[in-house]
Amino acid sequence: DSGVTQTPKHLITATGQRVTLRCSPRSGDLSVYWYQQSLDQGLQFLIQYYNGEERAKGNILERFSAQQFPDLHSELNLSSLELGDSALYFCASSVAATNEKLFFGSGTQLSVL
Amino acid sequence: AQKITQTQPGMFVQEKEAVTLDCTYDTSDPSYGLFWYKQPSSGEMIFLIYQGSYDQQNATEGRYSLNFQKARKSANLVISASQLGDSAMYFCAMREGSYQLTFGKGTKLSVIP
Repeated sequence: DSGVTQTPKHLITATGQRVTLRCSPRSGDLSVYWYQQSLDQGLQFLIQYYNGEERAKGNILERFSAQQFPDLHSELNLSSLELGDSALYFCASSVAATNEKLFFGSGTQLSVL
Repeated sequence: AQKITQTQPGMFVQEKEAVTLDCTYDTSDPSYGLFWYKQPSSGEMIFLIYQGSYDQQNATEGRYSLNFQKARKSANLVISASQLGDSAMYFCAMREGSYQLTFGKGTKLSVIP
């Protein structure tokens, strides 16, 4: 158990809908990262937050947004969902903003039908 | 150009034998970190081992060791005494400076009894 908690584990929804994925980092970790894993793109970095502030952006679509709350948990919001958004979404956390060791949650499997 | 290259899409190893998973990387940043993660069929990403670019010795974590050859830009993972539970996808990843992890496409390891 990495100590990073992601909910829900599975999510099935329809095109055009909006979903929210939730992540609780390991105790003491200030930095949260979101990654998307799909068969064709592999593991892609989406966005990073550090102590509530956006730190870095990767290949995140405009339809996607995220935030980190004062209690350090994070949410990834995906809207106007398309079939191609079906993927495994990982949250990871680390102590500092520059990640020497990154610990991943078990992921949320999103299926858009 | 790919920053992380894993040339072995799939590998087989006999139980109790050692196996080496290849990883080469590309960076011009003198400060970087190299990581290996394991992803079993259940989907979670498990941190295995980390090597910093300035580390003088190869990293080891139990049965895992990282064969770091800086001049060749390679960071191969060696698993000694393979076990059936080692069957999984293995990802090599790199962090350059303060940037996020970039992952390779992975190697699927199958351990044969």
